[in-house]
Amino acid sequence: EVQLVESGGASVQPGGSLRLSCAASGFALSGYSMNWVRQAPGKGLESISYISSSSYTTYYADSVKGRFTISRDNAKNSLFLQMNSLRDEDTAVYYCVRDLRGDCGGGSCYLGFWGQGTLVTVSS
Amino acid sequence: QSALTQPPSASGSPGQSVTISCTGTSSDVGGYNYVSWYQQHPGKAPKLIIYDVTKRPSGVPDRFSGSKSGNTASLTVSGLQAEDEADYYCGSYAGSNLGVFGGGTKLTVL
Repeated sequence: EVQLVESGGASVQPGGSLRLSCAASGFALSGYSMNWVRQAPGKGLESISYISSSSYTTYYADSVKGRFTISRDNAKNSLFLQMNSLRDEDTAVYYCVRDLRGDCGGGSCYLGFWGQGTLVTVSS
Repeated sequence: QSALTQPPSASGSPGQSVTISCTGTSSDVGGYNYVSWYQQHPGKAPKLIIYDVTKRPSGVPDRFSGSKSGNTASLTVSGLQAEDEADYYCGSYAGSNLGVFGGGTKLTVL
């Protein structure tokens, strides 16, 4: 059974940093591209970062570019999101998401399996 | 403001059908056959229910169907059941592997 378990969410002051982790089980992480998607309280979904299976390709939403870094350790079946210079508007539940079919690209990427999410609160 | 436009709410009685629209542009929905739909119950993670415009992942009931015409995609839920009450989000490829989402539609089963 595919399982994704996020951790690292916390309450932090503006300007602070956090590192989110996602532990994957039930499949080989090395065969799949991965994503981080966030959802602010009472709001919709925002896809913020993508990483290919080999880490060769990464994408970031404009809202986090230059502040957040996605990475992965396939040997440890883990995905990470380093978040720096946090702002109030980064407050959200952050989801670790696996692609539906494998290492996607060119439009065939779908957010097939989701973790339960971890809450990040940025407030002074 | 979301890239794709969805109605904020929709409703139907048990057993009826309801359709939710998702309007984009020729740079996303209209330009590619890479539309998806996600179902989210309160306090839960979203779940993929439609991909490639019309396909259903394993385990998704065939009461859920997708279609597209021009820049507008649609999700139809037939034979509405109480457990279908949830938020529904559309998604589309828009030139990068991040994709874009609609603002979400709250479906109420009357």
